[in-house]
Amino acid sequence: NAGVTQTPKFRVLKTGQSMTLLCAQDMNHEYMYWYRQDPGMGLRLIHYSVGEGTTAKGEVPDGYNVSRLKKQNFLLGLESAAPSQTSVYFCASSKGGTDTYEQYFGPGTRLTVT
Amino acid sequence: GDSVTQMEGPVTLSEEAFLTINCTYTATGYPSLFWYVQYPGEGLQLLLKATKADDKGSNKGFEATYRKETTSFHLEKGSVQVSDSAVYFCALKSNTGKLIFGQGTTLQVKP
Repeated sequence: NAGVTQTPKFRVLKTGQSMTLLCAQDMNHEYMYWYRQDPGMGLRLIHYSVGEGTTAKGEVPDGYNVSRLKKQNFLLGLESAAPSQTSVYFCASSKGGTDTYEQYFGPGTRLTVT
Repeated sequence: GDSVTQMEGPVTLSEEAFLTINCTYTATGYPSLFWYVQYPGEGLQLLLKATKADDKGSNKGFEATYRKETTSFHLEKGSVQVSDSAVYFCALKSNTGKLIFGQGTTLQVKP
C-alpha cells in the first residue's frame, strides 16, 4: 500500500498562474481532506469530501477549488495563485468522520508563489 | 469557536531527558483529543489519542491524559531519543467533525 500520495512535491508559480495538486489514496477511504500548513499556525482545513462526487468548504476555502470525481482522488485547484497561497499543502484521508477513524496524511506539497 | 493552544517552541533537550509539551483547548462539549507527530520531510502521523475525560493515550513511550477540569492534554515522555526530534501537533475533533490543530511545537533532541 502506498497510502496517501501527493503530486507534485514542490512547485513554484508566478502570481496569477493556475495549478492543480493531486492527492491519491489506495485505502478505499470515504473521507478526504486538504490542509495548508503555515509557520506558527498549525494546519488549517481548506476543503474536504465525505464521498465521491461531494465536496465541502473548510476553514480557509477562498481562492481554492476541489473536485472528487473518483473515490481515490481528491484534486485541489488554484485558479489564480497569490503570494498568500505560499504554503505547504497536505492531503489526508480517513474511513469516516468519527473519532475512531484516524486521518492518514500524505507527504505534502511545498508551493511558492512569487 | 474551538481552538487548541500549544507551548511555544522550539524545545531543545538532551538525550534521555524528560519531555513535556503543554496543550490546552477550548471547545464545546467533550471533544476527542489527539497528538500528531511530523518527522522532517514527512506528513503527519497519529501518535496517540484520548476520547473521554481521564483517558490516557500512549504510544512509543509517549503519554497524554485528557484532563477535563483543566482542559489540557499535555504530552510527556520519560526519556527522549534523538529519533524523537520532530514537530508535535495537538488537535481536537470538534462537534462538526473537523480536526482543529494547535500551531505545533518543534522538539530537538541532542545526543
